[in-house]
Amino acid sequence: AQRVTQPEKLLSVFKGAPVELKCNYSYSGSPELFWYVQYSRQRLQLLLRHISRESIKGFTADLNKGETSFHLKKPFAQEEDSAMYYCALSPLLYGNNRLAFGKGNQVVVIP
Amino acid sequence: NAGVTQTPKFRILKIGQSMTLQCTQDMNHNYMYWYRQDPGMGLKLIYYSVGAGITDKGEVPNGYNVSRSTTEDFPLRLELAAPSQTSVYFCASSYSGQRYGYTFGSGTRLTVV
Repeated sequence: AQRVTQPEKLLSVFKGAPVELKCNYSYSGSPELFWYVQYSRQRLQLLLRHISRESIKGFTADLNKGETSFHLKKPFAQEEDSAMYYCALSPLLYGNNRLAFGKGNQVVVIP
Repeated sequence: NAGVTQTPKFRILKIGQSMTLQCTQDMNHNYMYWYRQDPGMGLKLIYYSVGAGITDKGEVPNGYNVSRSTTEDFPLRLELAAPSQTSVYFCASSYSGQRYGYTFGSGTRLTVV
């Protein structure tokens, strides 16, 4: 079974400082990894996925299969980045398309 | 294009009461899911469906039931509400399962007293 671990529940950073959210996973095959974000009083929304190799709102995430990690990074945090962030994994198996979520990271950006 | 719509947004139930959380999507997605979100626990999958007429259990199905009679609708039924079911419930849908990610509804905050 797949498992996603986000070790830090709360992360406080100053505006302009770098932010890194850690995500480790356990899965024997090749998974698809995602980061979702939930801003205050808004619905959960997809931030980025590893397959796209994209940068969204200044965030990037690199899949490291050797370390089974998918850490989320942004060089300069902004106040609007304050939110709940979830790492999620989906196995690349036909018929199995359920996302497994980590417990989430609460990010607070201090002005 | 409304995406995924959930109703109601808030509800208070008494122990033993029943209710149905509604979820509908207008994106013609085959896959639909119900998650519950508990503080500090992330999201847990309750039930999911890969198409009309097909449903399956997730991690925490006990105390819930679902049906999928149409592509658009995926209601979640609580038959005998218990305090342990106090949570925020999210419905989600996706086009092809995992590859393109999920579209989530705005959630239903349920309190059982």
